[in-house]
Amino acid sequence: QVQLVESGGGVVQTGGSLRLSCAASGFAFSIYGMHWVRQAPGKGLEWVAVTSSDGSHIDYADSVKGRFTISRDNSKNTLFLQMNSLRPEDTAIYYCAKKTPGGLVALPDYWGQGTLVTVSS
Amino acid sequence: QSVLTQPPSVSAAPGRKVTISCSGSTSNIGNNYVSWYQHLPGAAPKLLIYDNDKRPSGIPDRFSGSKSGTSATLGITGLQTGDEADYYCATWDTSLSAYVFGTGTKVTVL
Repeated sequence: QVQLVESGGGVVQTGGSLRLSCAASGFAFSIYGMHWVRQAPGKGLEWVAVTSSDGSHIDYADSVKGRFTISRDNSKNTLFLQMNSLRPEDTAIYYCAKKTPGGLVALPDYWGQGTLVTVSS
Repeated sequence: QSVLTQPPSVSAAPGRKVTISCSGSTSNIGNNYVSWYQHLPGAAPKLLIYDNDKRPSGIPDRFSGSKSGTSATLGITGLQTGDEADYYCATWDTSLSAYVFGTGTKVTVL
């Protein structure tokens, strides 16, 4: 079955950096696009970034553009999110999610349990 | 704030039906597919409905989805205590060039 396991969260000061990882198993990782989605404390879900199966098409939410970088290593079935210049408003649980099979625009189907990122001021 | 508006909460007794609305515009719901997710605290969100009205395997037919114009609706029949969760709609917004989630609806079983 599909498994997505995030890691790399923690506490970081404003302006700092973190790199999140998402280990995928149970499906052909290299042929599916992947998302990062976050949920701030007491708030709803917010889409962060998406990558195509080969990393050639990438999109970001305006709130993280220029600060976050999504990437993937298909040889290791792993998705990454490099987060720089972190702000207190980036504090959230970060989820990786597999794209639904389909076209270039496809929403998530399977999700991981998330990893907590706390940015202290 | 989100471009997709949902009611903050809905409630009903066990066995009854609830519907959750998701209101958008022509740049999102009006011209793109909608998905619905169930999210329990501390758990991974779960896909309930994709492509407006399709259920993934393993999702009971108590859950249904529909879309009309710039609005979408999730229906839950035969409400169970295990259905208490937050529910989100989502779609692609062509104007924003971004995926968008609804504001979320908390379902309470009375």
